[in-house]
Amino acid sequence: EVQLLESGGGLVQPGGSLRLSCAASGFALSSYAMTWVRQAPGRGLEWVSTISGSGGSTYFSDSVKGRFTISRDTSKNTLYLQMNSLRAEDTAVYYCASTVAAAGTYYFDSWGQGTLVTVSS
Amino acid sequence: SYELTQPPSVSVSPGQTASITCSGDQLGDKFACWYQQKPGQSPFLVIYQDTKRPSGIPERFSGSNSGNTATLTISGTQAMDEADYYCQAWDGSHVVFGGGTKLTVL
Repeated sequence: EVQLLESGGGLVQPGGSLRLSCAASGFALSSYAMTWVRQAPGRGLEWVSTISGSGGSTYFSDSVKGRFTISRDTSKNTLYLQMNSLRAEDTAVYYCASTVAAAGTYYFDSWGQGTLVTVSS
Repeated sequence: SYELTQPPSVSVSPGQTASITCSGDQLGDKFACWYQQKPGQSPFLVIYQDTKRPSGIPERFSGSNSGNTATLTISGTQAMDEADYYCQAWDGSHVVFGGGTKLTVL
């Protein structure tokens, strides 16, 4: 059974940094693309970043490009999101999702339960 | 940047058919998928590659995609289908989500 467990969320001041983790079980991260999606309170889903199955390609939304980094440790089967220069508008629940790359598209077949990031002074 | 537009809300009576649309420029040339999200829960894939249902998704959920519009159709809608629904596509370099549609079953 595929399971994704996010951690690392919390309260951080504007301009601060935070690293989120997503521990995967039931499959090997090295075989799967992975994605971070966020949802601000009472709002819709917003894509944040995707890393390819090989790990060689990364993609970022315009709103986080240059501030966030996506990476993975296949030995720990864990995905990461390093978030720097955080802003109030980054406040959201952050989900990791296993990502199917097929037929020229990406979609998300399993999701974690999410971790809340609050950026506030 | 590419955008997907959904109606904010759709209402349906139990047992009737609900249709939720997702509009985007030449969306029919891309693959669309759909997620269901109930309050306090994570999103859940219900349709991928326009028309395919993941294992375990009831047959009453179906999808189509042509021209500028993708549609999620729920036949014989049940009270348990009340949720937010999001469409999603890939524009070649970015994942794009629609703004979401709240489906009310009343």
